[in-house]
Amino acid sequence: DSGVTQTPKHLITATGQRVTLRCSPRSGDLSVYWYQQSLDQGLQFLIQYYNGEERAKGNILERFSAQQFPDLHSELNLSSLELGDSALYFCASSPQGARDSYEQYFGPGTRLTVT
Amino acid sequence: AQRVTQPEKLLSVFKGAPVELKCNYSYSGSPELFWYVQYSRQRLQLLLRHISRESIKGFTADLNKGETSFHLKKPFAQEEDSAMYYCALQTGANNLFFGTGTRLTVIP
Repeated sequence: DSGVTQTPKHLITATGQRVTLRCSPRSGDLSVYWYQQSLDQGLQFLIQYYNGEERAKGNILERFSAQQFPDLHSELNLSSLELGDSALYFCASSPQGARDSYEQYFGPGTRLTVT
Repeated sequence: AQRVTQPEKLLSVFKGAPVELKCNYSYSGSPELFWYVQYSRQRLQLLLRHISRESIKGFTADLNKGETSFHLKKPFAQEEDSAMYYCALQTGANNLFFGTGTRLTVIP
């Protein structure tokens, strides 16, 4: 157990809907990262937050957004969902945010199915 | 732009045989590379990082800047090595860019 928690475990929703995925980092970790794992694209970095501020963006669609709250938990919001958004969404955390080769600790993921 | 390539989606070896999982990268900066592993029903976790130059569970990986490779090797595969292996490149903001992964199956 990495100490990173994600809820919900599974989510099934319809196209056009909006969902929120939640992540609680390990105690003391300031950075949170979101990744999307789909069958055809592999594991892709979406976005990183460090101590409440957006630090870096990867291949995140405009329909997606995220935030990190003062208690350091993070939420990933996915809107106007399409069938292609069906994937496993992972959250990871690490102690620091930049220029340090810190291990990232991954959560168990949220499996999103869009029907 | 950064890119990580793992050319083999699937790799099967017999127990006791050597194993090599290939990883090539493309990055204009100074690369920091990792291997992450996901065992069945477990979370993705760090296996090793190139700056540590360590051997974990018998696995080693050497960064070859000339060939832009970071292949993962083990001289004698064990059944418990069966897992999904991801090569990852870290950029300046500590973001990881992953390859598409190689599923290793060790045949008893």
